[in-house]
Amino acid sequence: GDSVTQMEGPVTLSEEAFLTINCTYTATGYPSLFWYVQYPGEGLQLLLKATKADDKGSNKGFEATYRKETTSFHLEKGSVQVSDSAVYFCALSDRYTGNQFYFGTGTSLTVIP
Amino acid sequence: EAQVTQNPRYLITVTGKKLTVTCSQNMNHEYMSWYRQDPGLGLRQIYYSMNVEVTDKGDVPEGYKVSRKEKRNFPLILESPSPNQTSLYFCASRVAGSNTGELFFGEGSRLTVL
Repeated sequence: GDSVTQMEGPVTLSEEAFLTINCTYTATGYPSLFWYVQYPGEGLQLLLKATKADDKGSNKGFEATYRKETTSFHLEKGSVQVSDSAVYFCALSDRYTGNQFYFGTGTSLTVIP
Repeated sequence: EAQVTQNPRYLITVTGKKLTVTCSQNMNHEYMSWYRQDPGLGLRQIYYSMNVEVTDKGDVPEGYKVSRKEKRNFPLILESPSPNQTSLYFCASRVAGSNTGELFFGEGSRLTVL
């Protein structure tokens, strides 16, 4: 079945450091791919998405490219801020109907000043 | 404001005492779903609904029931809660019929079963 494998955390970075959180997936066909962010005490909110191969999603300085050949959707940011401290989830939506979402286990990021 | 509202946000109960977690959305979304979030396991889908009176099991439906009598509401029912259902629960909604649309989440309901 479909699944998402996400880099284990927690990750601690200094402010302005480069961030990469790895995400790979297993799916039939061509799913849509998402990154969600969860701030403390809140629900998940969409950070960015890509719906077909080679698409790049971007938002708030974060980027991720849908790589079909490596079945990956790694999240990157060139210079993290303290306000980026949160838990990040990679997710996919099944190809045909989007009825089922599959989430990774989440990666906790702490950015220190 | 577009939102998904869950209640209660926090609940402590005892084994076997039936409870319901309500979920309501104001975006006229056809699709709604419930997830539980556990450390090291991420989010796992419990049930989902494509529209009124249409529901289906997700990956971890055991011990849960749902109903969809109105488009905006999708309550999660624990008929006889057990300690292994202690978790953080999220309701979410989206437009149906496409796999490209995002899920909109509620703020979560933290349930403890003693």
